[in-house]
Amino acid sequence: AQSVTQPDIHITVSEGASLELRCNYSYGATPYLFWYVQSPGQGLQLLLKYFSGDTLVQGIKGFEAEFKRSQSSFNLRKPSVHWSDAAEYFCAVAPSGYSTLTFGKGTMLLVSP
Amino acid sequence: AAGVIQSPRHLIKEKRETATLKCYPIPRHDTVYWYQQGPGQDPQFLISFYEKMQSDKGSIPDRFSAQQFSDYHSELNMSSLELGDSALYFCASSSGQAQDGYTFGSGTRLTVV
Repeated sequence: AQSVTQPDIHITVSEGASLELRCNYSYGATPYLFWYVQSPGQGLQLLLKYFSGDTLVQGIKGFEAEFKRSQSSFNLRKPSVHWSDAAEYFCAVAPSGYSTLTFGKGTMLLVSP
Repeated sequence: AAGVIQSPRHLIKEKRETATLKCYPIPRHDTVYWYQQGPGQDPQFLISFYEKMQSDKGSIPDRFSAQQFSDYHSELNMSSLELGDSALYFCASSSGQAQDGYTFGSGTRLTVV
């Protein structure tokens, strides 16, 4: 069964600074990879996804993620964080487009002035 | 664009009562997934349906049941509610096409008192 690890429970970043959230997955083949963002008490919004092709994926809100097969990683990045980016970020994987999505434990992003 | 609609948004029930949560997928999406997210937790997969048949089952308690109807909407029925059932319940839908990904509803917040 696939699994997802987000090693950082909390991350604090200064507004305007760059951001990288880590995600590692465990799966025999290349899974479908996703990043979702969740504001407190809100739903899950898809930031970006990777299925195949170019390993650098662009998403909404200025986010991007890079798939690295050799490291089984799919890290999320943003060059300059805004206060409105403060939220919880979930990495998720699925074996295929039909399969159940498995989430990591999430990383809470705090943005300091 | 149409999104996944969940109702109700909030629900308060007493212990041992029953609750029914509804999910209306995006038009032409034939697969529905239910997730439970406890406070400070990652979403946990409960159950999914494809073309009105159960396609996968996760950590869904025996007190819960679900089904998908001919119009593809789904209902999650929860009986003998316990305090620990208090959570945010998400529904997601997909077309099974990788490029569509999974779209989540805003969730139903269930509080058991």
